[in-house]
Amino acid sequence: QKEVEQDPGPLSVPEGAIVSLNCTYSNSAFQYFMWYRQYSRKGPELLMYTYSSGNKEDGRFTAQVDKSSKYISLFIRDSQPSDSATYLCAMIKGAGSYQLTFGKGTKLSVIP
Amino acid sequence: DTAVSQTPKYLVTQMGNDKSIKCEQNLGHDTMYWYKQDSKKFLKIMFSYNNKELIINETVPNRFSPKSPDKAHLNLHINSLELGDSAVYFCASSPPPYFGPGTRLLVL
Repeated sequence: QKEVEQDPGPLSVPEGAIVSLNCTYSNSAFQYFMWYRQYSRKGPELLMYTYSSGNKEDGRFTAQVDKSSKYISLFIRDSQPSDSATYLCAMIKGAGSYQLTFGKGTKLSVIP
Repeated sequence: DTAVSQTPKYLVTQMGNDKSIKCEQNLGHDTMYWYKQDSKKFLKIMFSYNNKELIINETVPNRFSPKSPDKAHLNLHINSLELGDSAVYFCASSPPPYFGPGTRLLVL
């Protein structure tokens, strides 16, 4: 079993829809959770960085962490065509750990 | 102001050549990384340096040699390039982890 599982999609939604992206993980040692957005031929762009269980909101983006279920989510409200990209979850095992472990990424298309 | 920058952006070279990719960060971070993204878009760590010291060295051919002259720089030198080295190489620094724009390497 891979340490981080992420459905690669592709996921296609109409403009204005709420998008839900998810990752599960198997190792309870993961403490820090990140979501990245990667446009084609660009570097991953950090969207959200969270530590504790619960929700963190930034504009149209909400990151949710449930450590008891080993499950993290990214919600995008009022999705726009410019949100079309690959979304990657990533995790770090805690203070003193330096290695990010990535999911495989979910490709999202928002159709006008 | 670019946080993590890499040069060159594109690198096309012949098999057997030696090439270097440079990375600089202006975020004051202590930790820097090199990642490789393959054709299936999966990001795999190659190396990590913390305060100029090698922390992570994944199973990478020893033709790849990182070098950190100071905390703000982490360069990657590749000897005897092979076709299979063609990929996108990303530099990153943390915490939290920010990535550079990538270097697209094509070995012919």
